[in-house]
Amino acid sequence: DAKTTQPPSMDCAEGRAANLPCNHSTISGNEYVYWYRQIHSQGPQYIIHGLKNNETNEMASLIITEDRKSSTLILPHATLRDTAVYYCIVLTYNQGGKLIFGQGTELSVKP
Amino acid sequence: GAVVSQHPSRVICKSGTSVKIECRSLDFQATTMFWYRQFPKKSLMLMATSNEGSKATYEQGVEKDKFLINHASLTLSTLTVTSAHPEDSSFYICSARTGMLYEQYFGPGTRLTVT
Repeated sequence: DAKTTQPPSMDCAEGRAANLPCNHSTISGNEYVYWYRQIHSQGPQYIIHGLKNNETNEMASLIITEDRKSSTLILPHATLRDTAVYYCIVLTYNQGGKLIFGQGTELSVKP
Repeated sequence: GAVVSQHPSRVICKSGTSVKIECRSLDFQATTMFWYRQFPKKSLMLMATSNEGSKATYEQGVEKDKFLINHASLTLSTLTVTSAHPEDSSFYICSARTGMLYEQYFGPGTRLTVT
């Protein structure tokens, strides 16, 4: 599975956009980029996923570079409840679709 | 979204005893369930993958005789920590996947403390 690299921590002001980067330079053509987040002492929550194109849903937007070696998760208007650890995961369906978590980015949204 | 529950949410047991943790998919049938453990300030570590009606597949380094996994139905998987020791104290999280590969939902976790 391709490895991902994320900054260990980031701060964001409440109401501003939070841009969380992820590097996955060894990603293969059939591997998807998934984002999950984990609020303290809870199970992870699915946010969004994509293959090549940018994706948007009610929670966030996912921007994937053209060479697919990196991506950015955008929370357009961060709130205090978005404080969590955000995990970027590269997933290969033909290996059973196991989600292997890296260290993630601890996002702190501050008032 | 779909709901996955875990029971109990917290459990304290004495060293040497066994503890069973249940994972249920409440409103969908889960063809595959996964078990993770998480130590404080650390990321989730995948322990095993279980498919309904077949033996679980354990990740390297995970003792299959210590962590017994049963996936008897499409809505229930259990993890039994046998002969628990203090080092088994951890946060155990399950996830369940539907037939659609990208739909994987996580339970709220079970905090196990072995005294």
